[in-house]
Amino acid sequence: DQQVKQNSPSLSVQEGRISILNCDYTNSMFDYFLWYKKYPAEGPTFLISISSIKDKNEDGRFTVFLNKSAKHLSLHIVPSQPGDSAVYFCAASYYNQGGKLIFGQGTELSVKP
Amino acid sequence: GAVVSQHPSRVICKSGTSVKIECRSLDFQATTMFWYRQFPKQSLMLMATSNEGSKATYEQGVEKDKFLINHASLTLSTLTVTSAHPEDSSFYICSAQGPGWGGTDTQYFGPGTRLTVL
Repeated sequence: DQQVKQNSPSLSVQEGRISILNCDYTNSMFDYFLWYKKYPAEGPTFLISISSIKDKNEDGRFTVFLNKSAKHLSLHIVPSQPGDSAVYFCAASYYNQGGKLIFGQGTELSVKP
Repeated sequence: GAVVSQHPSRVICKSGTSVKIECRSLDFQATTMFWYRQFPKQSLMLMATSNEGSKATYEQGVEKDKFLINHASLTLSTLTVTSAHPEDSSFYICSAQGPGWGGTDTQYFGPGTRLTVL
C-alpha cells in the first residue's frame, strides 16, 4: 500500500526554466510533508517542508504547495540549475508517530544547460 | 547541519554470513535513529525505529531476527543482517534525530551502505 506516490519517475527541464515535481498521498492523517534531494550513493538531504496548516512555503528558489483537499503537493524550483539534477523524494509524517517518514518513489530531475 | 556517518559505505559478502552496519551521529546525541532500505528506483522503506537503550520497533513485514538493531549509546546504532541472502542486497540508510527536536525536518540521514550478497 503506497501511501505517498510520485507518479513521474523522471523529469527533464531546461536550465532557467521552472521544475515542478508532484506528489500525491492517500492518508488524510498526514500533517507534515517534506522534500528531500538525493544524489546516487548518498543519503537524502532535507530541502523544504510544509505543515498541513499551510498551503505554501517558500525558501529561496524552492516553493512547496499543498492542496489538502486533493491530497497533493508539489515542489517548484525556479530558476532550475544544472546542480539541481538529482532524485527528489517527497515524504510525509503525522503527529505522535515519533518522526517516522513515509517516502514516495522519487522523481529523477535532469536540468539541461 | 548535523552529521551522520555510516560504515562501511559498501560491503560484499557471501550468502549465509552476517554483516554489521554502523550509524553514528558525529556532532549531536541521537535519541532516535531510523533504518531504511532502498531498492533500485524505489522509495526508501522504513525498516525500524531505534531508541537509545530500548528495543527497536520494527515495521510490518520486517523480520526482527534477521535484521538485528542495537542502539547502545546516544551516538551509535548498528544494524546486523544475519545469515544474509542475495535478496537482502540493497542500499541501507540510517537517519538520526536529536532529543526534543521539533519537526521532522531535523532528521539527518547518513550516506548509506551498499550491501551486495553473492
